[in-house]
Amino acid sequence: AQSVTQLDSHVSVSEGTPVLLRCNYSSSYSPSLFWYVQHPNKGLQLLLKYTSAATLVKGINGFEAEFKKSETSFHLTKPSAHMSDAAEYFCVVSPRTGTASKLTFGTGTRLQVTL
Amino acid sequence: EAQVTQNPRYLITVTGKKLTVTCSQNMNHEYMSWYRQDPGLGLRQIYYSMNVEVTDKGDVPEGYKVSRKEKRNFPLILESPSPNQTSLYFCASGTPRTSGRTDTQYFGPGTRLTVL
Repeated sequence: AQSVTQLDSHVSVSEGTPVLLRCNYSSSYSPSLFWYVQHPNKGLQLLLKYTSAATLVKGINGFEAEFKKSETSFHLTKPSAHMSDAAEYFCVVSPRTGTASKLTFGTGTRLQVTL
Repeated sequence: EAQVTQNPRYLITVTGKKLTVTCSQNMNHEYMSWYRQDPGLGLRQIYYSMNVEVTDKGDVPEGYKVSRKEKRNFPLILESPSPNQTSLYFCASGTPRTSGRTDTQYFGPGTRLTVL
């Protein structure tokens, strides 16, 4: 069994300040973890993924996330927010073993960026 | 261009009128899947397919059917739509776990369905 908890449904930051979107996971298997972003009226785009290599993962648009097994966390960060980062972000878990690529999504965090 | 396409993008229909949402991918992916997105619930998997003629239920399959007769296509069928199926639907494709490759999934643009 696997599950994902995104700890904040809504985060608001000022442009130029750091972003932190929090994600905790639960998985019976060694997990793969992903962050996807969804801009308004758009599909989902992969930001970054962790699949057992380096625990600090760098993604597109300056985002990165750190896999912490002891804390079962995979928080998403960015040093300096930009207006174009305003979107909904989904943390996703998938088992790294087994035959099915089953993704389990968190409920999403809406990031608002203000001037 | 590598992509997943869905049609239609928007659909308003009435209760009980059968409909099909098409999904096609040009990346030769074995794995395809349908999700629905509802406010506060994230994305939930409806059905998935590991390859041609191989389909299985996801977390919320009730009221839906799928078929996988060709590798590139994975239509979603609502035989008798009901208002609780009003949602935003996403199709996705990717390479399955057993291939040894990553399980990154690529998503279509979404289909917004309203059932009156």
